[in-house]
Amino acid sequence: ELKVEQNPLFLSMQEGKNYTIYCNYSTTSDRLYWYRQDPGKSLESLFVLLSNGAVKQEGRLMASLDTKARLSTLHITAAVHDLSATYFCAVGGSQGNLIFGKGTKLSVKP
Amino acid sequence: DSGVTQTPKHLITATGQRVTLRCSPRSGDLSVYWYQQSLDQGLQFLIQYYNGEERAKGNILERFSAQQFPDLHSELNLSSLELGDSALYFCASSLDRGEQYFGPGTRLTVT
Repeated sequence: ELKVEQNPLFLSMQEGKNYTIYCNYSTTSDRLYWYRQDPGKSLESLFVLLSNGAVKQEGRLMASLDTKARLSTLHITAAVHDLSATYFCAVGGSQGNLIFGKGTKLSVKP
Repeated sequence: DSGVTQTPKHLITATGQRVTLRCSPRSGDLSVYWYQQSLDQGLQFLIQYYNGEERAKGNILERFSAQQFPDLHSELNLSSLELGDSALYFCASSLDRGEQYFGPGTRLTVT
């Protein structure tokens, strides 16, 4: 059974600091996704990672994938308040469905 | 805006009742997925339809059922509702097994 673990589950950061969220998964998958969710809102797609060594960047966020280690990271550079949200990683299951981690609730404080 | 629509936005109902949630996928997408998000269970996959046929089942209770119609919209039926069914229900769509786009969700409150 495919399992996805994220850590940390809660992250309180100061503006301007850097941090990394980790996502481990238990069995081989060819797709890994990062989503952002604001309170009470839907999930917004941030990154799609399809191959070993893939790295994608958008603004202050950078995601990478190591399929051999079954690990993805979401790195936050020089955090700003607008990045406060819950971030989910999700791994593609064999049927096309997504298996989600528990999410990392990020709070960026001035 | 993902292009996926869901109705209603909010639903409040009593235990034992039955409700229907509706989802219209993005134009051109053939796959529809239903997910449940609750505080204790997190985001869980319920069921997937592809071009009208059921393709995959996740942690969907027997009291729940879904279908996808010829125009590709989908409905999720929840019956004999219990307090624990209170959650956000998301629909997502994709072309096939590709990137999924999520709708705004339906917040169900069972009292």
